[in-house]
Amino acid sequence: DAGVIQSPRHEVTEMGQEVTLRCKPISGHNSLFWYRQTMMRGLELLIYFNNNVPIDDSGMPEDRFSAKMPNASFSTLKIQPSEPRDSAVYFCASSSGVGYEQYFGPGTRLTVT
Amino acid sequence: QQPVQSPQAVILREGEDAVINCSSSKALYSVHWYRQKHGEAPVFLMILLKGGEQKGHDKISASFNEKKQQSSLYLTASQLSYSGTYFCGPGGSQGNLIFGKGTKLSVKP
Repeated sequence: DAGVIQSPRHEVTEMGQEVTLRCKPISGHNSLFWYRQTMMRGLELLIYFNNNVPIDDSGMPEDRFSAKMPNASFSTLKIQPSEPRDSAVYFCASSSGVGYEQYFGPGTRLTVT
Repeated sequence: QQPVQSPQAVILREGEDAVINCSSSKALYSVHWYRQKHGEAPVFLMILLKGGEQKGHDKISASFNEKKQQSSLYLTASQLSYSGTYFCGPGGSQGNLIFGKGTKLSVKP
């Protein structure tokens, strides 16, 4: 069974540009999580969904960040406009329910210049 | 608020033991432990549930003290493959996890 799939794996963009990160969770999982990892702040939870519904987006840093889950097999995290301080590794994870073990995707390394 | 992990880093020789601690300022309903190797994604190790139920790894054990809002991960007879950064993730009432900054473990031959 395929694990969590994220694309792109690497993204380099200029400040002010829109960035869209994509995630396909493990089939059958109904909880999906977006994390951001930096050396300074560690692994931060940005937002999570249960049954495609956003449950808690209190970790989203500001209005420039938005996330959607239009169906059970796809989610996006969008940053518009991007800033250099958004540079980080963004992970998507899925689980069979909130509170169950999470399976992480390989991550997207975002660099904003 | 992020949980506090200690130590921040530890270096071991193969075969030595280590303990990683995790303290939360909030009530704990569960604690997850994950390990991340350099350049890779975090990988699930173990869940400790309120009430004492434990799931997880063969060679790594953990404890969960609900009253003290603490958890500890015990690695015995460490192997080179144990190297990585260990994260605890206390689960709140909603089940979502807030991860600590991690403990970097290096096992040397």
